[in-house]
Amino acid sequence: DSGVTQTPKHLITATGQRVTLRCSPRSGDLSVYWYQQSLDQGLQFLIQYYNGEERAKGNILERFSAQQFPDLHSELNLSSLELGDSALYFCASSVGGNSGGEETQYFGPGTRLLVL
Amino acid sequence: AQSVAQPEDQVNVAEGNPLTVKCTYSVSGNPYLFWYVQYPNRGLQFLLKYITGDNLVKGSYGFEAEFNKSQTSFHLKKPSALVSDSALYFCAVRDVSSGGSYIPTFGRGTSLIVHP
Repeated sequence: DSGVTQTPKHLITATGQRVTLRCSPRSGDLSVYWYQQSLDQGLQFLIQYYNGEERAKGNILERFSAQQFPDLHSELNLSSLELGDSALYFCASSVGGNSGGEETQYFGPGTRLLVL
Repeated sequence: AQSVAQPEDQVNVAEGNPLTVKCTYSVSGNPYLFWYVQYPNRGLQFLLKYITGDNLVKGSYGFEAEFNKSQTSFHLKKPSALVSDSALYFCAVRDVSSGGSYIPTFGRGTSLIVHP
């Protein structure tokens, strides 16, 4: 168990809808990362928050947004959902801002999203 | 730019035999290298990383990896495979050169199957 929690475990929704995925980092970790894992794209970095501020942005669609709250938990909002958004969404956390890229990331169990 | 390749989609090995999961990378500077393992329906778990120092890195569960700068490789090894090692293995690289993204890029993963 990594200490990173994600809810819900599974989510089934329809195209055009909006969902919110939640992540709580390991105790003491200040950074939260969001990743999307699909069969065709592999593991894609979406976005990183560090201590409440956006730190790095990857291949995140404009329909997706995230935030990190004062208690350091994070939410990933996915809107106007399309069939292609069906994937596993992982949250990871690390101790600091990872400005050197050397920090280990600890992954949560993921949220499996199915868009019908 | 940083990239990583895992040339084998699947590796099959008999229990008790040594295993190798291959990873090659491309960076313009020096790399930070990581190995993660993903068991079915679980998040990624950190195994080991190379930041600097000894080219042979020892990690969790008896795994080790050797950093080879001339061959730009970071192959994961274990002297004696267990059936419980069967999982998906991910290599990741971060280019340390200035201007490079400090978020590691993940490979597409290699499925390791250990036969009893």
